[in-house]
Amino acid sequence: NAGVTQTPKFRVLKTGQSMTLLCAQDMNHEYMYWYRQDPGMGLRLIHYSVGEGTTAKGEVPDGYNVSRLKKQNFLLGLESAAPSQTSVYFCASSGETIRRSNTDTQYFGPGTRLTVL
Amino acid sequence: GENVEQHPSTLSVQEGDSAVIKCTYSDSASNYFPWYKQELGKGPQLIIDIRSNVGEKKDQRIAVTLNKTAKHFSLHITETQPEDSAVYFCAAFMFSGGYNKLIFGAGTRLAVHP
Repeated sequence: NAGVTQTPKFRVLKTGQSMTLLCAQDMNHEYMYWYRQDPGMGLRLIHYSVGEGTTAKGEVPDGYNVSRLKKQNFLLGLESAAPSQTSVYFCASSGETIRRSNTDTQYFGPGTRLTVL
Repeated sequence: GENVEQHPSTLSVQEGDSAVIKCTYSDSASNYFPWYKQELGKGPQLIIDIRSNVGEKKDQRIAVTLNKTAKHFSLHITETQPEDSAVYFCAAFMFSGGYNKLIFGAGTRLAVHP
């Protein structure tokens, strides 16, 4: 199993440009999450999904949109990038179907480093 | 609001020494406390976790203790090795803002010197 994969690994955008980050998991997990990591602030939840076709806002959702059209994929979109969105973005997944508990272990992808100029 | 405080922010030890990282949390209803290790350029990886029905859990050189009354939990690494050098994050699972989520501490950068 590849676990959780993210593309791209690095990206540089100009202010106002848009982009989509892709997260894929092959563990049949119900729950998926997008976090951002900034120096000295740990990880903060942007959006999450409790199943295919569902999305919900996390702690810092402004400026981002997400979609979960397929169970294995969770997309994070930036419609109009701003320098404040310069960060490292991590996707995570948890919860095998049979258990459906969102206290299950979250497995993280390798991250996408995004710079907005 | 709900938060997790983690100390120290940096920790430097000699190889073979022990390292202790401490976290406190605000929500007394929290019931799940994982610890993650993040190496440079990689995503966080779970190294150990503890649930509120136990006070201590050990896995080889790492152990976690939980004190629910005081709302704090700690990570203990014994016989540290250079490959233990990384950033460690604690987290607490809590209900906040209308949904369940993991709240992360700010991280501890551990350096183990040969």
